[in-house]
Amino acid sequence: GNSVTQMEGPVTLSEEAFLTINCTYTATGYPSLFWYVQYPGEGLQLLLKATKADDKGSNKGFEATYRKETTSFHLEKGSVQVSDSAVYFCALSGDRGSTLGRLYFGRGTQLTVWP
Amino acid sequence: DTEVTQTPKHLVMGMTNKKSLKCEQHMGHRAMYWYKQKAKKPPELMFVYSYEKLSINESVPSRFSPECPNSSLLNLHLHALQPEDSALYLCASSLRIDRTNTEAFFGQGTRLTVV
Repeated sequence: GNSVTQMEGPVTLSEEAFLTINCTYTATGYPSLFWYVQYPGEGLQLLLKATKADDKGSNKGFEATYRKETTSFHLEKGSVQVSDSAVYFCALSGDRGSTLGRLYFGRGTQLTVWP
Repeated sequence: DTEVTQTPKHLVMGMTNKKSLKCEQHMGHRAMYWYKQKAKKPPELMFVYSYEKLSINESVPSRFSPECPNSSLLNLHLHALQPEDSALYLCASSLRIDRTNTEAFFGQGTRLTVV
């Protein structure tokens, strides 16, 4: 079946530090992979996506590369800001049969950035 | 317009009340979703509509009744809820569900409290 495993949080960093949030997945076929961000009191916003192996998604300084050989989609940012404090969800979208129309989410990782 | 609009933003209801949550999008998306999110957890899929027809019901109790009057609107009718139903209810839409490389756009959610 489809599943996403995300590193446990919370993650606490100082401003300008390097960020990595690990995400690995299990899926049949060729899923699409996403990172969503949820700021306090808000809904989810798509941060970036990748639809095939070796694709790199990027947005607002965040990057993630779809690695089929390691079934991973780790989120990275070179220099975090206080405004990046939020919960980050890794997710996959299945590619066949009964998995269509479903997003499979990881548990979420709380990131707190201190000035 | 890349927005999914949900109303109301907050709702407090008694266990004997009947209320409705509303969701609207004007992106021409033909798939719409209801998710339930408890604190510090990922969203849980409740219902999926595809081309205004119910496609997925994740064994949700009948006190939750979805409705898709047209391709832009999605409602969730609530009746005889329990306190444990208190949560953030998120609506989302995507272009279609028969393609995996289309991301879901989420609304800001309705914060529901059942008293």
